[in-house]
Amino acid sequence: DTEVTQTPKHLVMGMTNKKSLKCEQHMGHRAMYWYKQKAKKPPELMFVYSYEKLSINESVPSRFSPECPNSSLLNLHLHALQPEDSALYLCASSQDPPDSEIFGSGTRLTVV
Amino acid sequence: EDQVTQSPEALRLQEGESSSLNCSYTVSGLRGLFWYRQDPGKGPEFLFTLYSAGEEKEKERLKATLTKKESFLHITAPKPEDSATYLCAVQSYGGSQGNLIFGKGTKLSVKP
Repeated sequence: DTEVTQTPKHLVMGMTNKKSLKCEQHMGHRAMYWYKQKAKKPPELMFVYSYEKLSINESVPSRFSPECPNSSLLNLHLHALQPEDSALYLCASSQDPPDSEIFGSGTRLTVV
Repeated sequence: EDQVTQSPEALRLQEGESSSLNCSYTVSGLRGLFWYRQDPGKGPEFLFTLYSAGEEKEKERLKATLTKKESFLHITAPKPEDSATYLCAVQSYGGSQGNLIFGKGTKLSVKP
C-alpha cells in the first residue's frame, strides 16, 4: 500500500458545527502532516507529527485541533470555523525528513 | 530567509514541443529539493527528490536536474495529459523537521 487516504473527500459545514477530517497510511511512515491549500496557492504547513508526537504547530488557530491516535492515523478536528477557512486540506506522510512526502487527495472543505 | 521562486507562472505548449520549468532557491543548507505534479482539486503527486548539485532524475517524459542555485524540470515531447501545475519545494538544514518550502508553481497547459 503506497497511498495516503483522506476522508471525506468533500465536506460542507456551518460555523457552529464540529467535524473531523481523517487521514490514514500503511506505509510505515513515522511523520505525518496537515497542510492547507487555498486556490492557486501552494500548500501551507499546519502541523507535523513525528513518531505520534506533535513536533510543529505553525501558529494555527485553536479551532483546528490535530490528533494522532497511532502511527497510521491522523485526524484534524474542526470547531467554530470561519468562511475563510474554506480550502483544500491535505494530509501527507514521510519516512523521515528529508524523504519525500506522499500526499493524499485532500478534503475540500466549505464553511458556510 | 529560505525562498523558492518558480518560473514561468504559466506555460502553454503544443503537443510535442519540449520545454523546461525553472525553480530557483535560496536556502541556508539544502537537505532536499522536491518536484510534485498537482491536478486541479487533487493532492500533489510526488515526482522526484534531488539532494546534491549535479544530480539528475528521469521518469517517462520528465527529467529533473539540480545545480547549487536552481533546478530544472525538462519536459520532452509533452502530451495533453502532462497538463498540470508543477510544484517545486525545498527542505533546508536550517528549517524545522518536515518543513517544505513551496514555490508558487508553474501551470502547464499542453494543447493537442
